[in-house]
Formats: sequence, C-alpha cells, structure tokens
Amino acid sequence: NFMLTQPHSVSESPGKTVTISCTRSSGSIASNYVQWYQQRPGSSPTTVIYEDNQRPSGVPDRFSGSIDSSSNSASLTISGLKTEDEADYYCQSYDSSNRKWVFGGGTKLTVL
Amino acid sequence: EVQLVESGGGLIQPGGSLRLSCAASGFTVSSNYMSWVRQAPGKGLEWVSVIYSGGSTYYADSVKGRFTISRDNSKNTLYLQMNSLRAEDTAVYYCARVTIFGVLVWGQGTLVTVSS
Repeated sequence: NFMLTQPHSVSESPGKTVTISCTRSSGSIASNYVQWYQQRPGSSPTTVIYEDNQRPSGVPDRFSGSIDSSSNSASLTISGLKTEDEADYYCQSYDSSNRKWVFGGGTKLTVL
Repeated sequence: EVQLVESGGGLIQPGGSLRLSCAASGFTVSSNYMSWVRQAPGKGLEWVSVIYSGGSTYYADSVKGRFTISRDNSKNTLYLQMNSLRAEDTAVYYCARVTIFGVLVWGQGTLVTVSS
C-alpha cells in the first residue's frame, strides 16, 4: 500500500504558472499511471489529466501533467492561470498489488 | 454524448440499507469498467468500488462486506447496494466510467446521509 501526498493549498496570480505536486510514499511513481481531477466549488469532479500526461478532449493545453522518478512524484502544471481555474485538485493512482485506487488529499488552488 | 445520472440517495438511519443507481447513456455499461467514488462533506475523494467489464469486482476496505456493486445490462445501469450503513458512510456518491487506472467521466453525484 502507498499514499499520495499533496500540498494543502497553493496560490498564484492570474496569468502566472502554478505547479501542484503529488508524492508517492512507497513504490515507484512510474509503476502506475497518475490522474488529476479538478473540482470547482459546488460541482462534481472532472478529469483534467489521465495516464500521467494525457488531456481529455475539451481540456485546454494550459493543463499539463508529468512524473519525476527522482522525486517519486507527479505534477500538474497550469499555465496562464485564469480565475476559473480556482478549484480543488486531486491526484490519484492505481495500486496494482491489491487492485485498489489511491487518492491524494487534494490541493486548494487560489487564483488571486 | 456520454452521460451518467445517479439516483437513490437520501436520509437513512444507521444500520439501514440503500441502493444507488447510475443510468448511463452514450456508451454500454457492460463493455466498460465502472466505479463508485464518494466524498464526505468537506473532505476529499475516496474510491469505493469497481466492476470490470468481465464482471470482477473490488472494494475499499472501509465498505467490503457491506456494499455490493452490480449492473443491469438490459437497463444499461450501474448499482451500489449499501447495507449496514454507518454515520461515516455519509457522503456524495459519484458514479464514474473508468479505466483500470482512473476516471474518464464523472456523474453529478447523489447525497447519502446516515443519521438517526
């Protein structure tokens, strides 16, 4: 079993770039794909990145995902920040040892 | 267009049972992996269960033995039967079309409140 750890909150100004990290506690971050979900206040989540770095149709290319084996972490980068990007962001990965999913605790992004 | 519409949530006493439904359109439930994910009030996302296209099912430890995921191919609908409900099961329950790795499409959610 492993855990995914995210910062509780991040903030940045409109037009800037922000990166949200997701660190895996044990096992390789590269061993299973990482997904990222956006949840705006009062709304259901939506998928912004799947399989480490793939964007679903309709998600702007301002959103990008990556993994870094040296830090055993995944990252979600949002460039050209807009006020509409203000939301909670969750990372998630699959635990192949027990066929279960693991979610990070979520990061609140404030765009101010 | 792919769409998922959950129903069946409500207020239920501890120890009671409830069945959630998720009506799918735009794709075939039986040919896909489907999951339930929940979110307690003010908390983060928690994976609950998955059913593979072949019929295999898996559960989070917190619900194993109490919850059952199933589907009705004729109705293109996913279900979550929840028994022996506890206060800590209070949450919005989301239905999702998934891959083995994660969610592709989310439903709008249905609120389950377990309280006396």
